[in-house]
Amino acid sequence: GAGVSQTPSNKVTEKGKYVELRCDPISGHTALYWYRQSLGQGPEFLIYFQGTGAADDSGLPNDRFFAVRPEGSVSTLKIQRTERGDSAVYLCASSLNSGTATYEQYFGPGTRLTVT
Amino acid sequence: AQSVTQLDSQVPVFEEAPVELRCNYSSSVSVYLFWYVQYPNQGLQLLLKYLSGSTLVKGINGFEAEFNKSQTSFHLRKPSVHISDTAEYFCAVRTDQTGANNLFFGTGTRLTVIP
Repeated sequence: GAGVSQTPSNKVTEKGKYVELRCDPISGHTALYWYRQSLGQGPEFLIYFQGTGAADDSGLPNDRFFAVRPEGSVSTLKIQRTERGDSAVYLCASSLNSGTATYEQYFGPGTRLTVT
Repeated sequence: AQSVTQLDSQVPVFEEAPVELRCNYSSSVSVYLFWYVQYPNQGLQLLLKYLSGSTLVKGINGFEAEFNKSQTSFHLRKPSVHISDTAEYFCAVRTDQTGANNLFFGTGTRLTVIP
């Protein structure tokens, strides 16, 4: 079946602009995660959804970052007033259930965001 | 808090030679352990995971890892590598606490297999 998809694959924007990054999880997966991977680093957790609600947003770096999942499927990560330091690959993952680590997180290919 | 250390940022190895990618973790509570592989322009793919039971875990593509609680390590091994194993490898941990959901990743090890 289809895996996790993310659009766009690449996004170049100017400093100060607003961007939206989209994630389509695997059908039926109730848990959805956003991570950010900076150059030369491992992925860092941003936010986790269980269904429609953000169950854990402790990884969001500041209030310029916001994410939604209004119908419990597709999620959008929104970044306001982008800064050059926001440049990174944004990864989305989904899993059947978050309650146990036996439910593997399946990752999408990521969106590469470049802020000029 | 949890942290993961991958001491080797790059590991070159000749084709058909064995390889070990090192991973050490730090946590005040029990953890689950994972190894992911990232091929160029692709998403992270799970290689193997340790949840409980036998400390030797076998994964896909001939990889295996051994959980060593006393040394807080989870090193990844393969007895004979192929060109197709060239990729970035990430070690990750997740606590076994209720409500803990996210993975903590190391900085990655780039494995390059030389023909």
